[in-house]
Amino acid sequence: DSGVTQTPKHLITATGQRVTLRCSPRSGDLSVYWYQQSLDQGLQFLIQYYNGEERAKGNILERFSAQQFPDLHSELNLSSLELGDSALYFCASSGTTSLDAGELFFGEGSRLTVL
Amino acid sequence: DQQVKQNSPSLSVQEGRISILNCDYTNSMFDYFLWYKKYPAEGPTFLISISSIKDKNEDGRFTVFLNKSAKHLSLHIVPSQPGDSAVYFCAASALYGGSQGNLIFGKGTKLSVKP
Repeated sequence: DSGVTQTPKHLITATGQRVTLRCSPRSGDLSVYWYQQSLDQGLQFLIQYYNGEERAKGNILERFSAQQFPDLHSELNLSSLELGDSALYFCASSGTTSLDAGELFFGEGSRLTVL
Repeated sequence: DQQVKQNSPSLSVQEGRISILNCDYTNSMFDYFLWYKKYPAEGPTFLISISSIKDKNEDGRFTVFLNKSAKHLSLHIVPSQPGDSAVYFCAASALYGGSQGNLIFGKGTKLSVKP
């Protein structure tokens, strides 16, 4: 158990819809990262937040947005969903903005299926 | 443009033998490299890392070798055990260049260790 909690674990929705994925980082971790893993792809970095502020942005579509709340949990909002958005979405946390010992702690992921 | 490449999607090894997983990278700014292990229905977990000032890092049965001139790293598992069967992801970061934890992942290699 990494200590990172993601909900929901599974989500099935239709094209054009909007969903919100939620992540609670490990207790005390200030940084939250979102990654997308599509079929046969590695983990694609989407966005990082540190203590409520956006710190780094990767290949995140304009239809996607994220935020980190004062209690440090984070939400990833996906809108105008397309079939290609079907993927595993992972949240990870760490103690600071840097990698420290190199360890990001990953949640179990939220599997999104767009029909 | 894949900056981190794992060219072998799968690898099968006999229990007790050595497993060698390979990873190539293209970005010369990468200075920190990590291996993550992922079981089905779980998030990736950190395994071992190496910074660019070293060419080898060992942790129990796991050793990572870095060849900077070839932009190549490998993970050796000796001896391999059935419990090592998982997907292994190589990841890289320009940590000391201030990427703030933006890990670039390869697509993964599925290791099967047969009893």
